[in-house]
Amino acid sequence: QKEVEQDPGPLSVPEGAIVSLNCTYSNSAFQYFMWYRQYSRKGPELLMYTYSSGNKEDGRFTAQVDKSSKYISLFIRDSQPSDSATYLCAMSRSIGSGGGADGLTFGKGTHLIIQP
Amino acid sequence: KAGVTQTPRYLIKTRGQQVTLSCSPISGHRSVSWYQQTPGQGLQFLFEYFSETQRNKGNFPGRFSGRQFSNSRSEMNVSTLELGDSALYLCASSRLAEQFFGPGTRLTVL
Repeated sequence: QKEVEQDPGPLSVPEGAIVSLNCTYSNSAFQYFMWYRQYSRKGPELLMYTYSSGNKEDGRFTAQVDKSSKYISLFIRDSQPSDSATYLCAMSRSIGSGGGADGLTFGKGTHLIIQP
Repeated sequence: KAGVTQTPRYLIKTRGQQVTLSCSPISGHRSVSWYQQTPGQGLQFLFEYFSETQRNKGNFPGRFSGRQFSNSRSEMNVSTLELGDSALYLCASSRLAEQFFGPGTRLTVL
């Protein structure tokens, strides 16, 4: 069983829809959770960062963490064609002193397509 | 504030050669991590440097090595290249838990 599972998609939705992206994980030691967006031939761009269970909202994006179920989600409201990209969840166990996580574990990414 | 920069952006090498990739972190960030991204394995952690010391290491062979300089810039080296080393190599810098990625170096091994 992989440490982090993520449906690769593709997930295709019409413009304006609410998108739900999910990851499950097996290692209960994960404490820090992130979502990245990656466009083709670019580096991943950090969208959301959360620590422990709960919700965090930033504009059209909401990140949700349920540590009891080992399940994290990213919701995108009012989706736009420019949101079409691969979305990667990532998580880590700890932060080193002075910063820097101990090495992020990534899901394989979900390819999202927003149809105009 | 300038983002993470990586050079070169593209490289073509042949089997058996070695390669050095460079990363300049965001100003003020002292932690630099390296990742390998391939279609089959996704993003995998190589190693992390902080204050010129390797602090964490992923599950890669010893052909993969790195270092960090006093100005936090980092280099990674791959010796005796194999076809399977063809990948996008990403560098990320961080000050807290969030990691910010550069555009990557795309390495092709022929």
